[in-house]
Amino acid sequence: EAGVAQSPRYKIIEKRQSVAFWCNPISGHATLYWYQQILGQGPKLLIQFQNNGVVDDSQLPKDRFSAERLKGVDSTLKIQPAKLEDSAVYLCASSPGPGTGGLWGYTFGSGTRLTVV
Amino acid sequence: RKEVEQDPGPFNVPEGATVAFNCTYSNSASQSFFWYRQDCRKEPKLLMSVYSSGNEDGRFTAQLNRASQYISLLIRDSKLSDSATYLCVVAPVSSGSARQLTFGSGTQLTVLP
Repeated sequence: EAGVAQSPRYKIIEKRQSVAFWCNPISGHATLYWYQQILGQGPKLLIQFQNNGVVDDSQLPKDRFSAERLKGVDSTLKIQPAKLEDSAVYLCASSPGPGTGGLWGYTFGSGTRLTVV
Repeated sequence: RKEVEQDPGPFNVPEGATVAFNCTYSNSASQSFFWYRQDCRKEPKLLMSVYSSGNEDGRFTAQLNRASQYISLLIRDSKLSDSATYLCVVAPVSSGSARQLTFGSGTQLTVLP
């Protein structure tokens, strides 16, 4: 079974530029998550989608971050304009969705490492 | 106060040693608990769930104390391959929507030959 695909793997941009990350979840997974992991910290949830709807975006800095999951499959996360403190690894995860027990099927992608200079 | 707190380490132990990691959580409504392992520059991967009665998976033993809001992970007979960062994770009850995980900052373990 193919895992969660993310691209690009690495990105270096200057502050105030914009950047976009892409995620393709495991086929059939209804729920998709974006996490931000700053060096030395654990991942922090930014946004959760259920199919193409937003379940929780309370920790998404909406003045500069946006995310969408059109058609309930792939998702993009955008930062505009980027700040130095946005340097982090952006992890996408997916899970089968409602009714599933435990963390069965909850899978992380390998992440996009963003450096803002 | 952070929702999930862990001793960051690093823990440097010789092969064969027993090492224990502790974690506390602040949200008493948390209902599900896990330990994740994260290798350097890799994504987190589920190591094991933590059950109220305690549970064991080979050399790994997890314990939960709901009254103290405390979770532990014990690794016996450490191997070089156990070197990684161990993340304590809590989640609310899944009410139909899937799990939102809250991670601790992780404890770094290095097993030395």
